[in-house]
Amino acid sequence: DQQVKQNSPSLSVQEGRISILNCDYTNSMFDYFLWYKKYPAEGPTFLISISSIKDKNEDGRFTVFLNKSAKHLSLHIVPSQPGDSAVYFCAASRRVNYGGSQGNLIFGKGTKLSVKP
Amino acid sequence: DVKVTQSSRYLVKRTGEKVFLECVQDMDHENMFWYRQDPGLGLRLIYFSYDVKMKEKGDIPEGYSVSREKKERFSLILESASTNQTSMYLCASSLWQRGSYEQYFGPGTRLTVT
Repeated sequence: DQQVKQNSPSLSVQEGRISILNCDYTNSMFDYFLWYKKYPAEGPTFLISISSIKDKNEDGRFTVFLNKSAKHLSLHIVPSQPGDSAVYFCAASRRVNYGGSQGNLIFGKGTKLSVKP
Repeated sequence: DVKVTQSSRYLVKRTGEKVFLECVQDMDHENMFWYRQDPGLGLRLIYFSYDVKMKEKGDIPEGYSVSREKKERFSLILESASTNQTSMYLCASSLWQRGSYEQYFGPGTRLTVT
């Protein structure tokens, strides 16, 4: 059963326009969400995150929005650039009891973003 | 600078071989993870470790084992490689710190089992 869903396998956007990548989750116990970016033949790199106590976090061209009631988050990239072309993974934290509190990550299947010049 | 390294970028093994994938991090992180990435399936957690000598099963541990003898090193072992274990294997580490969930990934090992 998929707890983190990225329903769009791919997205194509024109350079300079906005890219919106969506992610839905089912587990209301998730308390932290992250976006990772992955180029082919490289490991994922952290992009931006948001805690469940916030509804928005911004870092330069990247903004993540969280709608807890809808169990939905989205990543906005404005303006999109060709170098943004990559696979984007949404991830949510899952608490595991071990001497305190720590979270494993559950990843969605990813969305491949293509930004056309 | 944060650094996670994996012993091989590309590996080709035969069915039935024992395969070792090594991962080293230089950030003094307590937590280490092994994932595999397959097209259309995203990142799936195989095993993780919160401390030296500790290991926990992830979502798909069958056919794999792990070893963590030192804090900085986490090894993934395929006891008898099979063709369905052909995949991209990714190692990650994170800090044992409340509120810190970010994982740092290595470059990955593309394993082909023939």
